[in-house]
Amino acid sequence: EDKVVQSPLSLVVHEGDTVTLNCSYEVTNFRSLLWYKQEKKAPTFLFMLTSSGIEKKSGRLSSILDKKELSSILNITATQTGDSAIYLCAVSDGTNAGKSTFGDGTTLTVKP
Amino acid sequence: SAVISQKPSRDICQRGTSLTIQCQVDSQVTMMFWYRQQPGQSLTLIATANQGSEATYESGFVIDKFPISRPNLTFSTLTVSNMSPEDSSIYLCSLGDGTEAFFGQGTRLTVV
Repeated sequence: EDKVVQSPLSLVVHEGDTVTLNCSYEVTNFRSLLWYKQEKKAPTFLFMLTSSGIEKKSGRLSSILDKKELSSILNITATQTGDSAIYLCAVSDGTNAGKSTFGDGTTLTVKP
Repeated sequence: SAVISQKPSRDICQRGTSLTIQCQVDSQVTMMFWYRQQPGQSLTLIATANQGSEATYESGFVIDKFPISRPNLTFSTLTVSNMSPEDSSIYLCSLGDGTEAFFGQGTRLTVV
């Protein structure tokens, strides 16, 4: 059974801090790892990492895939209160990223 | 990127009744996926909705409880049947490809 484990489960920081969220996985047939931000109901897609694209960056967010260690990190620099959300990591074993196994998420709270 | 319209946004239902959730996509997609997120938990895949064939259900989910329709390449419905309070969750439809994935806005269901 595929498994995705995220840590920490929750994190409280102050604006301007840098945070690192962790995700490790055990899957039978790895194709891609995805990061999402969930503020209300619907997760918002952030990044997809694959064997051919192990590092992604967008603004203050960046992510790296370590295929040897079966893990990934999501970094957020210069955090803002708007970054407060649940960050979900998911792994897909097929060509369609819509079908994934999700971790329990990391709840990030950024205080002013 | 695809746009998914999911309805209803939320509902409060009596136990023993059924609710049908709809997802409309602005483009044709081969596969759509339905997820459940129980309170305080992560997303769990219910089934894959295939156009022109029966949905494929994940372990622990059955067609009698969660019937799915996929009449064309832009639309799908999930019905939660004979509801009990344990069905209170956020239900989400999703689609993806080889580079990214998207979710509908989600349906927050409360069963009383």
